[in-house]
Amino acid sequence: QVQLQESGPGLVKPSETLSLICSVSGGSMTSHNYHWAWIRQPPGKGLEWIGSIDHSGSTYNNPSLKSRATILVDTSKAQVSLKLSSLTAADTAVYYCARAKVAATLDWFDPWGQGTLVTVSS
Amino acid sequence: SSELTQDPTVSVALGQTARITCQGDSLRLFYTSWYQQKPGQAPVVVIYGKNNRPLGIPDRFSGSASGNTASLTITGAQAEDEADYYCHSRDSSGAVVLFGGGTKLTVL
Repeated sequence: QVQLQESGPGLVKPSETLSLICSVSGGSMTSHNYHWAWIRQPPGKGLEWIGSIDHSGSTYNNPSLKSRATILVDTSKAQVSLKLSSLTAADTAVYYCARAKVAATLDWFDPWGQGTLVTVSS
Repeated sequence: SSELTQDPTVSVALGQTARITCQGDSLRLFYTSWYQQKPGQAPVVVIYGKNNRPLGIPDRFSGSASGNTASLTITGAQAEDEADYYCHSRDSSGAVVLFGGGTKLTVL
């Protein structure tokens, strides 16, 4: 059973770059049917997709983040990373990693990590 | 289209049927998935695709779609079903993942 665990700093300063790691256990990262995604949720608000990456390293990003997000996969370490630059208070959120099962006209996220709260403040 | 629209709140009496809807032009092209999120917890998928339930999800949860609207139906709602529910699909280009704004389900 695949499990995901996010890790990273809980507090970062405005204008800095956030770095998060998602550690994957209990399953292979190399299946072509799966993507690995980052999703965030500001306090009291809804879910926002940040981006996804497949096993070959091809990435898919939310254009609303204006290229601030970089997602990488390291299958040898069973990790997916997220870097988010030029942080502002609006980036304060719980950040989740999730596995996406992807088909032609359908995808779904399962499982999700427990999430990690990141606060952007000086 | 780049938006999925959900009603912010839905209420249902205990044991009755709750229907949560999600509207968006892209739903004519792509299937919808539904997630349940309880306070302090990560979302959990309850329905994906045409009407598929992951293992462990009660059969009172079902999904359907017509035109630009997808629906999550909870038949015989239980107190433990009180949660936020999010729909998920893609935009019309297929390149961008979208979430609806979420519906808070209250079981009375």
